[in-house]
Amino acid sequence: GQQLNQSPQSMFIQEGEDVSMNCTSSSIFNTWLWYKQDPGEGPVLLIALYKAGELTSNGRLTAQFGITRKDSFLNISASIPSDVGIYFCAGDAGGTSYGKLTFGQGTILTVHP
Amino acid sequence: DGGITQSPKYLFRKEGQNVTLSCEQNLNHDAMYWYRQDPGQGLRLIYYSQIVNDFQKGDIAEGYSVSREKKESFPLTVTSAQKNPTAFYLCATRRRTNLFFGPGTRLTVL
Repeated sequence: GQQLNQSPQSMFIQEGEDVSMNCTSSSIFNTWLWYKQDPGEGPVLLIALYKAGELTSNGRLTAQFGITRKDSFLNISASIPSDVGIYFCAGDAGGTSYGKLTFGQGTILTVHP
Repeated sequence: DGGITQSPKYLFRKEGQNVTLSCEQNLNHDAMYWYRQDPGQGLRLIYYSQIVNDFQKGDIAEGYSVSREKKESFPLTVTSAQKNPTAFYLCATRRRTNLFFGPGTRLTVL
């Protein structure tokens, strides 16, 4: 089946630093989504991208839908301790796969005060 | 207030026993999903339902069963046929292409 390669697997940063993570795929997606998961909780949707080239912000978060439709990145500016968690990318290929998201393996973010 | 509830939060069962995980939603979403999460891995789809009285197997359906008798409810049964059932189970609903997740149930089989 389809796979998403998410990198890096983990990041250890100082409070105030910027963060960047990305997802790549060998196949095309019609929608890219970014989720954050706190320990022991369900993932929460951060940003949804619906159009190739789209750049969307949500507070300190910015995400882009790659022009080739095979990649996406998420940036977090001026990180704070509550940014700690696991960040997942997810893609929807549409067609017969509509609604069945494919998830990346996650990026574990640790922020040192 | 609207949302997705999963109960219980933690569940312990002996090996060989079937166990049913509850998922209820009041978001009025048609589609519901069950995912499994293991440490260091992404979410893997077990079963999904686009509408009441209909459901489809996901990527790892073996050893699991579901029912969808009501729009609000999508329970998941982990049967004794599931070889490695200890995991974090997440229920979700969908609006457009966006999934909204419940708080999860951590199942431990002793």
